[in-house]
Amino acid sequence: GAGVSQSPSNKVTEKGKDVELRCDPISGHTALYWYRQSLGQGLEFLIYFQGNSAPDKSGLPSDRFSAERTGGSVSTLTIQRTQQEDSAVYLCASSLDPRTAPRETQYFGPGTRLLVL
Amino acid sequence: AQTVTQSQPEMSVQEAETVTLSCTYDTSENNYYLFWYKQPPSRQMILVIRQEAYKQQNATENRFSVNFQKAAKSFSLKISDSQLGDTAMYFCAFMKHVDSNYQLIWGAGTKLIIKP
Repeated sequence: GAGVSQSPSNKVTEKGKDVELRCDPISGHTALYWYRQSLGQGLEFLIYFQGNSAPDKSGLPSDRFSAERTGGSVSTLTIQRTQQEDSAVYLCASSLDPRTAPRETQYFGPGTRLLVL
Repeated sequence: AQTVTQSQPEMSVQEAETVTLSCTYDTSENNYYLFWYKQPPSRQMILVIRQEAYKQQNATENRFSVNFQKAAKSFSLKISDSQLGDTAMYFCAFMKHVDSNYQLIWGAGTKLIIKP
């Protein structure tokens, strides 16, 4: 397909376990974003990649969260030692280079719903 | 810091009616971008419409239009001739013109229900 894909679509894990969430951006999109959507709330920005680099990781909520991107394409968001408050929908988006004007539209994947028991 | 406020948690209208969703934001920036996204039950976030702050003309996309009031920091979405498929969560979002992360800052959303 031509859209952003994410896997798994749903993940149930036990508190304390590590999880990996995957995002496949639209082909040709150099920018990739991770957001977290908690129940009944708007989206919270986590991290942005331009190519394989993340200029600023301060949006990650704790040092249990990490993300990487390889080959300028697939990205993985890893949560170590999961806690119940990590339960949320994790959304990935991609876009063409936002450093060019006007701001490029971010296209979203369907998200991964994470439930930590 | 920028904030986005959507004061209507939920709205419900009859099919074919016109509905307006409110959004206000707070920023000291002069140049920025505003967006309305739609999230149906499938969870897929879909761009509805966007507005550049330096453009005075309100953006329109078919049945969707915005009322952008820069001085009032207001960015409302009007949906004309509403359809059952418009039922979704609607999120207003803001992006600074210059930002190291190009992040979208989001409102809490408005749940819109179109009744047959």
